[in-house]
Amino acid sequence: QQQVKQSPQSLIVQKGGISIINCAYENTAFDYFPWYQQFPGKGPALLIAIRPDVSEKKEGRFTISFNKSAKQFSLHIMDSQPGDSATYFCAATTDSWGKLQFGAGTQVVVTP
Amino acid sequence: AAGVIQSPRHLIKEKRETATLKCYPIPRHDTVYWYQQGPGQDPQFLISFYEKMQSDKGSIPDRFSAQQFSDYHSELNMSSLELGDSALYFCASSPGRGGSYNEQFFGPGTRLTVL
Repeated sequence: QQQVKQSPQSLIVQKGGISIINCAYENTAFDYFPWYQQFPGKGPALLIAIRPDVSEKKEGRFTISFNKSAKQFSLHIMDSQPGDSATYFCAATTDSWGKLQFGAGTQVVVTP
Repeated sequence: AAGVIQSPRHLIKEKRETATLKCYPIPRHDTVYWYQQGPGQDPQFLISFYEKMQSDKGSIPDRFSAQQFSDYHSELNMSSLELGDSALYFCASSPGRGGSYNEQFFGPGTRLTVL
């Protein structure tokens, strides 16, 4: 059973547009929420991460919004570029040993 | 900068054969994680090691075993391979205990195909 639910499954956005990916969780013990970017045939790479005591975190064109009461968090990619075309995974971890529970992934395609 | 090294990158085996996947963490990283990613799926946690001791265990079949050696590299041993074991196997490493304390850095993966 997927402990972190991610939507949409896929997303097509024009260059310069905004990509929005949403995730929801039930386990209130989760205390760290990273987003990973994965290109075909490559390993996931950390993009940005947030802890539940912060409602928003921005790094360049990437922003995480976190709603603790709703148990939801989202990734916004501003000014999307063709190079952003990849699969994005949200994840969560519940303990300091750090095993990651991944969402199902969102395939983002940015058209020129 | 040094990254996580995995070998081999590709492996083709027959059913019921055995396979050994190797992972070399980033220098001075003492935690190693193994994940399995099926086609079009998200990575699933298998097992992790901290300071050469098993720290956590996920949905790893009994046919699989793993260990972390004194030089911190790790090996995932898979026996009696089944068609369903065909997947990408990722190793990740982190300095310290990972999770909310430290980022996990993923390797390029080993693509295992079982025929």
